[in-house]
Amino acid sequence: QQQVKQSPQSLIVQKGGISIINCAYENTAFDYFPWYQQFPGKGPALLIAIRPDVSEKKEGRFTISFNKSAKQFSLHIMDSQPGDSATYFCAARARGGGAQKLVFGQGTRLTINP
Amino acid sequence: NAGVTQTPKFQVLKTGQSMTLQCAQDMNHEYMSWYRQDPGMGLRLIHYSVGAGITDQGEVPNGYNVSRSTTEDFPLRLLSAAPSQTSVYFCASRGARNIQYFGAGTRLSVL
Repeated sequence: QQQVKQSPQSLIVQKGGISIINCAYENTAFDYFPWYQQFPGKGPALLIAIRPDVSEKKEGRFTISFNKSAKQFSLHIMDSQPGDSATYFCAARARGGGAQKLVFGQGTRLTINP
Repeated sequence: NAGVTQTPKFQVLKTGQSMTLQCAQDMNHEYMSWYRQDPGMGLRLIHYSVGAGITDQGEVPNGYNVSRSTTEDFPLRLLSAAPSQTSVYFCASRGARNIQYFGAGTRLSVL
């Protein structure tokens, strides 16, 4: 059972447009929500992350919007560029002791057309 | 600074063969983990370790063994490879601020 559900599976956006990827979760123990970016042949790399005490976090052209009541969070890429073409994964981690394992969404393959 | 290094990059096995996927990190991170990546499934946790001598199972541990004798190394062993283990495998270590650093991956095919 997927603890973090991500959509869409693939997305095509024109250069300069806004790319939006959505994730939803059920476990209210999650307290850390990162997004990872993966280029072909490479491992994922942390892009941006948010904690549920804020509703939005922005780093350059990348913004996470977080809706705690709906248990949803999304990644917005403004002014999308061909270099943003990659696979994006949302993830979540539960608070508390122990190993605090990350669970990942299914991934979204983003293509930015020039 | 090498970060997380995985070897080999590619491997083809026959059903029933065994092999070890190597993972090493030079960042002195205590937490390390192994994931497999399959189309439409995202990254699924196989095994993880919170420090030398301590390992535990993740979401999909069956068919895989791990050990952690040093902080730097965290090998993943397939004792008897099956076609269902065809996948891309990623090793990761976790540093400050919960940032996970991934290796470049091992692409494994089991025939």
